[in-house]
Amino acid sequence: EPEVTQTPSHQVTQMGQEVILRCVPISNHLYFYWYRQILGQKVEFLVSFYNNEISEKSEIFDDQFSVERPDGSNFTLKIRSTKLEDSAMYFCARKQTGGYEQFFGPGTRLTVL
Amino acid sequence: DAKTTQPPSMDCAEGRAANLPCNHSTISGNEYVYWYRQIHSQGPQYIIHGLKNNETNEMASLIITEDRKSSTLILPHATLRDTAVYYCIYQRGGGADGLTFGKGTHLIIQP
Repeated sequence: EPEVTQTPSHQVTQMGQEVILRCVPISNHLYFYWYRQILGQKVEFLVSFYNNEISEKSEIFDDQFSVERPDGSNFTLKIRSTKLEDSAMYFCARKQTGGYEQFFGPGTRLTVL
Repeated sequence: DAKTTQPPSMDCAEGRAANLPCNHSTISGNEYVYWYRQIHSQGPQYIIHGLKNNETNEMASLIITEDRKSSTLILPHATLRDTAVYYCIYQRGGGADGLTFGKGTHLIIQP
């Protein structure tokens, strides 16, 4: 199973601040995903990213969220102005070209104070 | 909302086979059945997937009914490390679609 790395493992921020969560790519993975899981709740899909553009996004993924893969490097999720309710685990996932299964990272725990 | 139905929790004795059912009566012909699990607060882990034939890998077996409206995940010799929440999901294969997780089944392996 390909290793998926996310940084940081834990991020604490003040409400209204911007945060950037990072996912380290593997070269033969073309599909990237972000999910979040609020404590005690189910895993929720945020956005998928294919061929350097957004492929699908959920209702949760509003204007305060953005994703990019600058220069083919880390895949990032940016939250522009964090709210208390953004506190959650954020998981990056990747899928190989022609593959079926998604491989998830260990997650970043975001705490908004 | 998730389109599959799973029991909220199940117990199984260590060393026994754990059989986890899932109903997916609205599945379409080109959609695959996937099983993932989440151990504590770790990232979800892929287990197995199938279209209509039964499948087996090193982790589990997947039995899909002939009408494809339900399936069963079988962990043949459950260990304490298999205690986790198990999710049954269906979607098209090969594309960029995100996974829709439900509440899953919390499987507890008893020593």
